[in-house]
Amino acid sequence: QKEVEQDPGPLSVPEGAIVSLNCTYSNSAFQYFMWYRQYSRKGPELLMYTYSSGNKEDGRFTAQVDKSSKYISLFIRDSQPSDSATYLCAMSVGSGNTPLVFGKGTRLSVIA
Amino acid sequence: SAVISQKPSRDICQRGTSLTIQCQVDSQVTMMFWYRQQPGQSLTLIATANQGSEATYESGFVIDKFPISRPNLTFSTLTVSNMSPEDSSIYLCSVGVGDQPQHFGDGTRLSIL
Repeated sequence: QKEVEQDPGPLSVPEGAIVSLNCTYSNSAFQYFMWYRQYSRKGPELLMYTYSSGNKEDGRFTAQVDKSSKYISLFIRDSQPSDSATYLCAMSVGSGNTPLVFGKGTRLSVIA
Repeated sequence: SAVISQKPSRDICQRGTSLTIQCQVDSQVTMMFWYRQQPGQSLTLIATANQGSEATYESGFVIDKFPISRPNLTFSTLTVSNMSPEDSSIYLCSVGVGDQPQHFGDGTRLSIL
C-alpha cells in the first residue's frame, strides 16, 4: 500500500460544477496537509495548507482533513475552465522544512 | 513566498552523459529539496540539501548517480549522472521557509535518447 493514494482521473466536469478531489493516507504521523495545483509545463503551486484536522476555506476552495479516517478532500465551487490542471495532495510529519509525500495527482478538466 | 528559478527548463541528452540542474532562490533558505516527477507517478523526493552538510538521500537514490551541491543559502545543483532513458523525468527543486509550506520551481524537463 502506498503512503498516499489519489485517484489520477482524469476528471471532466462542466463549468460551474462543484468538484471534489480526495486522498487517503496510511501514515498517522502526518500532521500537515497541502493541495498543490500544477498547470502543464509548470511547477506545483501551493493552493491550500492545513494543519491537523478541520476545514479551511479560501474563496472557491475548501480543504478538509479527517485524521480519524486518514482522508483529505479539496472542494472547488463554481469551477472555471481556468481550474483545469492537475491537483496534487501532499502531506508531511512536520512543517516547511520537512519532506513532502505526494499523491499521484488528479487531472481535472473544466469544460466551458 | 520565495521565488525559485531552475535552469535549464528542459533538455534532451544522450545516454551515458551527465546534466547539472541549477536551482536559485531569491532569499536565504536552510533546506532545499530535490524531487523527481516521472510520467504518471507521484513526485518523489530524491534528497534534502542542507547548506554546509552532505545531502541526505532517500531510499533508492544514491550520491554517485545524483550528486548534489549546496554552496550557499540561495543556490543548489543536482547532477544526473550517466543518464539512461529511465532518467527521463521532470526534476524539481523546492524550498520551505520557516513553518511555511514548500514552494517549487517550474522544473527541468529531461529527455534521454
